[in-house]
Amino acid sequence: AQSVTQLGSHVSVSEGALVLLRCNYSSSVPPYLFWYVQYPNQGLQLLLKYTSAATLVKGINGFEAEFKKSETSFHLTKPSAHMSDAAEYFCAVSGDTGFQKLVFGTGTRLLVSP
Amino acid sequence: EAGVVQSPRYKIIEKKQPVAFWCNPISGHNTLYWYLQNLGQGPELLIRYENEEAVDDSQLPKDRFSAERLKGVDSTLKIQPAELGDSAVYLCASSARQSSTDTQYFGPGTRLTVL
Repeated sequence: AQSVTQLGSHVSVSEGALVLLRCNYSSSVPPYLFWYVQYPNQGLQLLLKYTSAATLVKGINGFEAEFKKSETSFHLTKPSAHMSDAAEYFCAVSGDTGFQKLVFGTGTRLLVSP
Repeated sequence: EAGVVQSPRYKIIEKKQPVAFWCNPISGHNTLYWYLQNLGQGPELLIRYENEEAVDDSQLPKDRFSAERLKGVDSTLKIQPAELGDSAVYLCASSARQSSTDTQYFGPGTRLTVL
């Protein structure tokens, strides 16, 4: 079984500040990990994914995440927040099973203030 | 290239009525997914298709939900009859192939309100 825990349903930062969104996973098989962003009334868009290559993964819009097996974590970071980063962020896990069955966390809403 | 298209975007119905959602995946994508997203939650997989075959429908409530993907392209998800608890966003996604790592592309969803 696989699961994802996202700590903090809401995270507030000031524009220009560091963004840190936390994700911890549980998986009985080697995990593949994903971060998606969802803007209001839109579908999910892939930010980045870890697929067992480099543990530090760079994604779109300046985001990156680091896979830490010892901590079972895959936290999302961005050095400097922009107003346009305000959205809902979802972490998801899948397993190396030959097909993709994403199990999503409950999401973290990022609020960016001027 | 067009993304995943879903219609309608919004639907309001009374309980016990039927409702259907339509999805057109990205051209050439063989794998199609339907997800349910409740308010304040992450999406949950309902059903996955490989071409026209439903290969994982274990989470689909089959007493009232049905889905089809004729000719392995467009797909329709139906609820009959709808219940108050079915109010949610129904997302469709597609990927090029069945793979553990392939990117899923999501449509904008259909927001269903059951009164």
